[in-house]
Amino acid sequence: DIQMTQSPSTLSASVGDRVTITCRASQSITRWLAWYQQKPGKAPNLLIYKASILQSGVPSRFSGSGSGTEFTLTISNLQPDDFGTYYCQQYENNWTFGPGTNVEIK
Amino acid sequence: QVQLMQSGAEVVKPGASVKVSCKASGYTFSDYFLQWVRQAPGQGLEWMGWINSKSGGTNYAQKFQGRVTMTRDTSISTAYMELSRLRSDDTAIYYCARVPSYDFLSPPRSWGQGTLVTVSS
Repeated sequence: DIQMTQSPSTLSASVGDRVTITCRASQSITRWLAWYQQKPGKAPNLLIYKASILQSGVPSRFSGSGSGTEFTLTISNLQPDDFGTYYCQQYENNWTFGPGTNVEIK
Repeated sequence: QVQLMQSGAEVVKPGASVKVSCKASGYTFSDYFLQWVRQAPGQGLEWMGWINSKSGGTNYAQKFQGRVTMTRDTSISTAYMELSRLRSDDTAIYYCARVPSYDFLSPPRSWGQGTLVTVSS
């Protein structure tokens, strides 16, 4: 099974900041990587797929990059509504999710 | 519009089984697979498996093999996930999510609202 890790586990940032979350896979997943945002009591919301393609309707301040085993999600110009937990997910071989990164707004 | 409506919360005893339903509307049921994902309280997301809504074929995560059964009833556009021999650590929110048959591992855009299953004596 492919294992996923994320860092940091928690981050606190101010409105307007640029934040970066890193996701690593235990083996190459080429670019079969998605990012989700989840808010309390809600299902996950797809932000990015195939490592860097922005899902329709998602603000352009979200961006993704990477390939192989290392990936990043960047939120530029952090907004108050961006609080929540962010998960990466590999879909090269079935699905595996990362443990999540909790983003708090200072 | 696409909707996945899941059954209500359940409280079940250890050792028992639970069956969660996911009723689809707003699209052609057989054109999509349904994936199942669970989330324990305060924890991350865990993939459980998928069902091919057209053929009924399934693929389960190794962790759940022997305990999970996914079925569907095409006449009412509903999929089911049954988990048996429940333990306290099966307490979680269970989600269904829709993915296209031609790309059934792709990340889902549509999810059910989730069903809380509490295992408690």
